[in-house]
Amino acid sequence: EIVLTQSPGTLSLSPGERATLSCRASQTLSSTYLAWYQQVPGQAPRLLIYGASSRATGIPDRFGGSGSGTDFTLTISRLEPEDFAVYYCQQSGYSPHTFGGGTKVEIK
Amino acid sequence: EVQLVQSGAEVRKPGESLKISCQVSGYNFAGYWIAWVRQMPGKGLEWMGIIYPGDSDTRYSPSFQGQVSISADKSVSTAYLQWSSLKASDSGIYYCARHRTSSAYVPLDYWGQGSPVTVSS
Repeated sequence: EIVLTQSPGTLSLSPGERATLSCRASQTLSSTYLAWYQQVPGQAPRLLIYGASSRATGIPDRFGGSGSGTDFTLTISRLEPEDFAVYYCQQSGYSPHTFGGGTKVEIK
Repeated sequence: EVQLVQSGAEVRKPGESLKISCQVSGYNFAGYWIAWVRQMPGKGLEWMGIIYPGDSDTRYSPSFQGQVSISADKSVSTAYLQWSSLKASDSGIYYCARHRTSSAYVPLDYWGQGSPVTVSS
């Protein structure tokens, strides 16, 4: 089973700041199979990024994904009030399609 | 418009059975994998397993194999998650979600609203 480790656990930032979230895989993973989701409290997750760097439909361009091998990054260039949420990475290349433990982005 | 509408909140006692549902609309149900994802109270997302409604091919996470059963009924465009004997540790919110394409190796682009399950004596 591929383990995805997300860091930091919590990121405290102000609106307008840049957020950098990390997702590390326990073994090499094709970037094709790495996705990022956003979950606002009380709501279902929303797909942000697939294939490590492609934005899903309707996702603003302040969200960007990068990385390869075992290290992947989600960057939010300028935090908007609605971006304060929990973010999860997921791999879909190997069963089970594991999720990372999540990074909470909170208002500083 | 793609929609996944899940059944409502359930409260059961330990040892009871339960079947929750996920009815889809707006796309060809048979042609896309559906996943079930658990979220325990205050915790992260856990991938439970997937089903391809076209031929009922089903794959489970080892953590959930033998603990739940995933099924689908093409005639009513509905996927199901079932327990034969619930435990208190099964309490949580259960989401169904559709794979982004017909492949099993892609992420989840449309999600249901979640079905809260509470198991308590």
